[in-house]
Amino acid sequence: GNSVTQMEGPVTLSEEAFLTINCTYTATGYPSLFWYVQYPGEGLQLLLKATKADDKGSNKGFEATYRKETTSFHLEKGSVQVSDSAVYFCALSVDNQGGKLIFGQGTELSVKP
Amino acid sequence: DAGITQSPRHKVTETGTPVTLRCHQTENHRYMYWYRQDPGHGLRLIHYSYGVKDTDKGEVSDGYSVSRSKTEDFLLTLESATSSQTSVYFCAISEGVGSPLHFGNGTRLTVT
Repeated sequence: GNSVTQMEGPVTLSEEAFLTINCTYTATGYPSLFWYVQYPGEGLQLLLKATKADDKGSNKGFEATYRKETTSFHLEKGSVQVSDSAVYFCALSVDNQGGKLIFGQGTELSVKP
Repeated sequence: DAGITQSPRHKVTETGTPVTLRCHQTENHRYMYWYRQDPGHGLRLIHYSYGVKDTDKGEVSDGYSVSRSKTEDFLLTLESATSSQTSVYFCAISEGVGSPLHFGNGTRLTVT
């Protein structure tokens, strides 16, 4: 079946630290991969996506590279800010399954000044 | 926001009562989804729709039904609410397969 596994949180960092949130997946087809972010009290917002192997998605200083050989899509940011504190979700969709997303369990990030 | 409105935003109900949550979109997107969010589980798909009157089950569909009589509205009904259905419910829309989902702000449901 299709599934997504993320590193457990919470992750606590100091401002300007380097961030990595690990995400690995299993998929029966050839998935598209996504990172979503959820700020307190809000819905999920698309952060970035990649649709084929070796694609790099990027947005707001965040990056993730689609690695088919390791079935991974790790999220990175070189210098985090307090405003990046949120819950981050990795997700996949497979073309033959109605466009629905399968999510990891989420990783809470807390950035301290 | 991508033109998605969920109502109500908060609801408290008693065990055994029926509850209907509404999702309304103004984007004319074909696909609509209902997810529930629970600690430690991320988001899990309840039901989804790929067109008017076309719906299918997700991974946690037991105890829920949906209806889509118009492109813009997707209703989620709990026929007889149970405490295990206490959760935050999110509606999402999408233009099509492979496109990203856009989420509403959620409905927090408490079943006492």
